[in-house]
Amino acid sequence: EDQVTQSPEALRLQEGESSSLNCSYTVSGLRGLFWYRQDPGKGPEFLFTLYSAGEEKEKERLKATLTKKESFLHITAPKPEDSATYLCAVQGHSGGYQKVTFGTGTKLQVIP
Amino acid sequence: DTGVSQDPRHKITKRGQNVTFRCDPISEHNRLYWYRQTLGQGPEFLTYFQNEAQLEKSRLLSDRFSAERPKGSFSTLEIQRTEQGDSAMYLCASSLVGSYVVNYGYTFGSGTRLTVV
Repeated sequence: EDQVTQSPEALRLQEGESSSLNCSYTVSGLRGLFWYRQDPGKGPEFLFTLYSAGEEKEKERLKATLTKKESFLHITAPKPEDSATYLCAVQGHSGGYQKVTFGTGTKLQVIP
Repeated sequence: DTGVSQDPRHKITKRGQNVTFRCDPISEHNRLYWYRQTLGQGPEFLTYFQNEAQLEKSRLLSDRFSAERPKGSFSTLEIQRTEQGDSAMYLCASSLVGSYVVNYGYTFGSGTRLTVV
């Protein structure tokens, strides 16, 4: 059974204070690791897909990295509009061809 | 295209009633997924379609749940004899077909929030 554990559960940052969110995973044959952003009352919004250890992707103030056991979402100089819940998910070879397993998320609050 | 649309946005129903939700995916996407999300949790996979064929169902999808995608376009999710434990956000997503891995991730709708009283 694929598993995803995200930490911390909640994070409060001052505007401009950089930090990282962690996603630890166990999966039988990684097909892809995904990061999503979710605002209250809305569906998740796709950010990145990572496929193999060592891969990195960037988008504005966000940078995602991947190792064989975990992924990090680095947030550089965050702004209040970055406040949201960030979800990590994996797709592996077990549990069905199209099943994506999500973590419970990290709720980020950026204070002006 | 305005993305993935779900209707209704909110539904309050009495225990024991049947409810039906609708999802209109992005027109060029032919894979459609249903997920359920409860407060403080990540989305949980329920089922997925490729065109009109329902190819995979989670064990979370009990006999009271049924999903259809007639003609490979919109999809409906019906819950019969609702229970209080069915209260959750029901999310629909769609994606492009053809890639071994979902390269671009899923495009989610805003969900239908179900409250069973």
